[in-house]
Amino acid sequence: GNSVTQMEGPVTLSEEAFLTINCTYTATGYPSLFWYVQYPGEGLQLLLKATKADDKGSNKGFEATYRKETTSFHLEKGSVQVSDSAVYFCALSDHDDYKLSFGAGTTVTVRA
Amino acid sequence: SAVISQKPSRDICQRGTSLTIQCQVDSQVTMMFWYRQQPGQSLTLIATANQGSEATYESGFVIDKFPISRPNLTFSTLTVSNMSPEDSSIYLCSVAETGTVYFGPGTRLTVT
Repeated sequence: GNSVTQMEGPVTLSEEAFLTINCTYTATGYPSLFWYVQYPGEGLQLLLKATKADDKGSNKGFEATYRKETTSFHLEKGSVQVSDSAVYFCALSDHDDYKLSFGAGTTVTVRA
Repeated sequence: SAVISQKPSRDICQRGTSLTIQCQVDSQVTMMFWYRQQPGQSLTLIATANQGSEATYESGFVIDKFPISRPNLTFSTLTVSNMSPEDSSIYLCSVAETGTVYFGPGTRLTVT
């Protein structure tokens, strides 16, 4: 079955630091890959996605590249802000059924 | 993207009782899902809500405990039956649209 392994947190950074959250997956076939973000007290929001190998998803300064050869979808941001403090979830779904399998989530805290 | 609302946003319930959560979408969607997020945990898919037929449950979830209705393409309900403290979680409705899965704001349930 499908599974997602995500870098465990919590992660604490200073403003303007570089952020990487590792995500690897196991899937049959060619899944779609997602990063979702949950800000404090808010619901789950789609951050970015990629639907095929070598696709790069990007949004709000965050990027992630679908790497089929390493079955990875690592999230990166070059310069984080305090407002990026949140829980980040990596997820995948098969193309046809949209049932999401989530990683454990990584709590990121950015300090001024 | 689809706008999803849920009612109630939160509730505190006595053990042994049942709670029905409503999910309303502002457009017709074919695929609708229910997830659970236990405290400090990731999200787990409960079931796919199928319009006009019985819901499809994931391993570990049964219809007697989590009955689901889907009377039309914009609305669904999830009932948490015979509740115990272990059912304390956030319950989220989600829909699939244009290759992406979107989430409602969630219902925070506390069982005492």
